[in-house]
Amino acid sequence: GAVVSQHPSWVICKSGTSVKIECRSLDFQATTMFWYRQFPKQSLMLMATSNEGSKATYEQGVEKDKFLINHASLTLSTLTVTSAHPEDSSFYICSARDVNSYNEQFFGPGTRLTVL
Amino acid sequence: GENVEQHPSTLSVQEGDSAVIKCTYSDSASNYFPWYKQELGKRPQLIIDIRSNVGEKKDQRIAVTLNKTAKHFSLHITETQPEDSAVYFCAAGFGANNLFFGTGTRLTVIP
Repeated sequence: GAVVSQHPSWVICKSGTSVKIECRSLDFQATTMFWYRQFPKQSLMLMATSNEGSKATYEQGVEKDKFLINHASLTLSTLTVTSAHPEDSSFYICSARDVNSYNEQFFGPGTRLTVL
Repeated sequence: GENVEQHPSTLSVQEGDSAVIKCTYSDSASNYFPWYKQELGKRPQLIIDIRSNVGEKKDQRIAVTLNKTAKHFSLHITETQPEDSAVYFCAAGFGANNLFFGTGTRLTVIP
């Protein structure tokens, strides 16, 4: 149980375009999902907390207009990188918290974004 | 906010030896401390966690200890095997809120 999927697993896009990444909890309901960014050989940096039916909470330094987050249902959250630039290239990982599991977060497989 | 520090950043041990990774946290309100294992290009996988009402927890070759007074917690892996080689992250959080991750430890188990 507790499987989280992400789509796409990798994407290459041109500068200036927007990219949408989906995070789905497959076998449980997730009132809260988290979006992280991970640079090579570095730790997971929390970008934002996504709550179903409400606005996301962004961490300091993360531009909300740049990284649009939508959590429309208990099983789906999306991250849209708008007007992508090469510096946005990174590994983006989501995690979901099971409503029946007090603290544990289950991670998706990640999406590798490369902006040319 | 919470600040989690993790040491060492790299660790090499001989197969069969023990490995210890240490983390400290800053927010005394944190009450949940998970450890994740991440293999190259893969998602972080929870390997063990501990809550603040417990001082130690063990699961086969893996154990975690927590010292709330000193605000530090440690991961202990005994009888290490090559498949234990990965990056390990500690994290700290309060209740159901977001987790703050340490900087990671790259463990290499030498056969």
